[in-house]
Amino acid sequence: EPEVTQTPSHQVTQMGQEVILRCVPISNHLYFYWYRQILGQKVEFLVSFYNNEISEKSEIFDDQFSVERPDGSNFTLKIRSTKLEDSAMYFCASGTSGSYNEQFFGPGTRLTVL
Amino acid sequence: AQKITQTQPGMFVQEKEAVTLDCTYDTSDPSYGLFWYKQPSSGEMIFLIYQGSYDQQNATEGRYSLNFQKARKSANLVISASQLGDSAMYFCAMREPAGGNQFYFGTGTSLTVIP
Repeated sequence: EPEVTQTPSHQVTQMGQEVILRCVPISNHLYFYWYRQILGQKVEFLVSFYNNEISEKSEIFDDQFSVERPDGSNFTLKIRSTKLEDSAMYFCASGTSGSYNEQFFGPGTRLTVL
Repeated sequence: AQKITQTQPGMFVQEKEAVTLDCTYDTSDPSYGLFWYKQPSSGEMIFLIYQGSYDQQNATEGRYSLNFQKARKSANLVISASQLGDSAMYFCAMREPAGGNQFYFGTGTSLTVIP
């Protein structure tokens, strides 16, 4: 069964450093998403991406964040200068439709900023 | 106002019993989708069930069913015949076009199945 994959599973970085979180969505999916979940809190939407551009982004997704689909398979989230409060689990998801189909989530990348 | 409200931070259920996890939502959009996800201690998000706002019947997926009461804006998850492996966090979520197809999650309910 196809699945969304994410690498690395755990990333530790120093405050102020740039990190790139990688995701490989399911191959025939066209809609891609990033979410984050701060430990013990609810999942928060960050950004949606379709047709090589951002469709929607939340208030959390400020200028420190960017997304890219550098090739036909990867979908990346870059944080330019990490802050302590960026420590969270980051989930990538993909879907076949921007409408009401369920999104398939990846296993997440735990980002720890020291 | 919160888009999704889950008022039960923690629930316990005896193995083989049924349990209902509450979820209420807030939207003025007539078209929306409601979802339930399971998050085990390992951290991944597992899709369980989906209900569209125009669906006439309550969604069911195996032991999971969604008690959709549109007028009350509630979308409770019912798990029948609970199993030990059902112990996890459960998140209710909503997607609405008016919000730019964003996904709003509730704060979750931690379910513990007791043998």
